[in-house]
Amino acid sequence: EAQVTQNPRYLITVTGKKLTVTCSQNMNHEYMSWYRQDPGLGLRQIYYSMNVEVTDKGDVPEGYKVSRKEKRNFPLILESPSPNQTSLYFCASSSDWTRSSYEQYFGPGTRLTVT
Amino acid sequence: TQLLEQSPQFLSIQEGENLTVYCNSSSVFSSLQWYRQEPGEGPVLLVTVVTGGEVKKLKRLTFQFGDARKDSSLHITAAQPGDTGLYLCAHRNQAGTALIFGKGTTLSVSS
Repeated sequence: EAQVTQNPRYLITVTGKKLTVTCSQNMNHEYMSWYRQDPGLGLRQIYYSMNVEVTDKGDVPEGYKVSRKEKRNFPLILESPSPNQTSLYFCASSSDWTRSSYEQYFGPGTRLTVT
Repeated sequence: TQLLEQSPQFLSIQEGENLTVYCNSSSVFSSLQWYRQEPGEGPVLLVTVVTGGEVKKLKRLTFQFGDARKDSSLHITAAQPGDTGLYLCAHRNQAGTALIFGKGTTLSVSS
């Protein structure tokens, strides 16, 4: 089954404790992206990757890191989480991203709480 | 940033009613997408509209792209509880690096 998987689905952590949210897709997509979703602010892009070893900042990259060592994986790293990073996080991937028929496939989300 | 404004923000209706939600902007778009997000899940693409004036139908859902390609609407006929969810419109940004989403319309259909 074609899908984007994220782990963990739920995470409660404390300020300053490094964490990684994994994202994997089995569709051989070149484009991958991370979004956060917050009430009243909607979905905002954190980082994206157009291909292996090519990553760049989105609209809200502060406090986050990413890597793209292989096509299928795109982990999101919070080196020193803070309470304002409490949010719902989505990983997405896309084929044909530069064409008019683009479609992003989203993972099921990771709900992160930082206390 | 090409902002998308969605209205209404919330909609609560009874099963069988019809409804329309809107996605508006002052910018012209080459295409617009509609996604539905159910609780506990990620958004799922419903449709992409590309041509001004285009109308697409997906069962009881009808999507329209404005003639000037600045706005879009989603009409649901005879809503069902399974239509409950967050409806988002989105477009690809000018740099071609991200989807820009509206804040969505939360629809609740009760039986």
